[in-house]
Amino acid sequence: KAGVTQTPRYLIKTRGQQVTLSCSPISGHRSVSWYQQTPGQGLQFLFEYFSETQRNKGNFPGRFSGRQFSNSRSEMNVSTLELGDSALYLCASSLYLGRSNIQYFGAGTRLSVL
Amino acid sequence: AQTVTQSQPEMSVQEAETVTLSCTYDTSESDYYLFWYKQPPSRQMILVIRQEAYKQQNATENRFSVNFQKAAKSFSLKISDSQLGDAAMYFCAYETSPGGGADGLTFGKGTHLIIQP
Repeated sequence: KAGVTQTPRYLIKTRGQQVTLSCSPISGHRSVSWYQQTPGQGLQFLFEYFSETQRNKGNFPGRFSGRQFSNSRSEMNVSTLELGDSALYLCASSLYLGRSNIQYFGAGTRLSVL
Repeated sequence: AQTVTQSQPEMSVQEAETVTLSCTYDTSESDYYLFWYKQPPSRQMILVIRQEAYKQQNATENRFSVNFQKAAKSFSLKISDSQLGDAAMYFCAYETSPGGGADGLTFGKGTHLIIQP
């Protein structure tokens, strides 16, 4: 079974631009979560989608948004990029079956904002 | 809000030896999950071991085991017979309930584990 796939792996943007990152979950997984990883702040939860609905959201500004499609694939969008948005963005999917939920991570998208 | 603290930024161990990574957490919840994830240079986060708070028995996965002390809010990871492939960043993580909960996974800052050949 294929793992979580994130595209692209690397991205370079300039301040003020917007960016869209993509995440394809493990087949059958309906929950997709996004995390931001930076050297200073560590790993921080952005949001979680389940069955095309955002269920949970972390403490990030409204410039960070996402969506989930009917096939469970998810996209994350960051508008009006700032230098501080440079980070590794990780996506995780989970089956969410009662108490047996485990999040499986992709390899991430490395975003550099110049 | 829940917090997870890893007090050891870096640990070094000789190959084949045993090493213990520390993690403490703060929560007012009684039902939660604790995890150790490994992140090698490839950046892919890999689940090492998982513990359910309501289970008294410490989780074990081959060479990896945990010491879960619920009252002390401590969750340490022991790696036995360390191998070169164990070299990575190790993150302790907390989750209030299945499916991501209110805040998703809350991670510690990580411990960089170095394996000396």
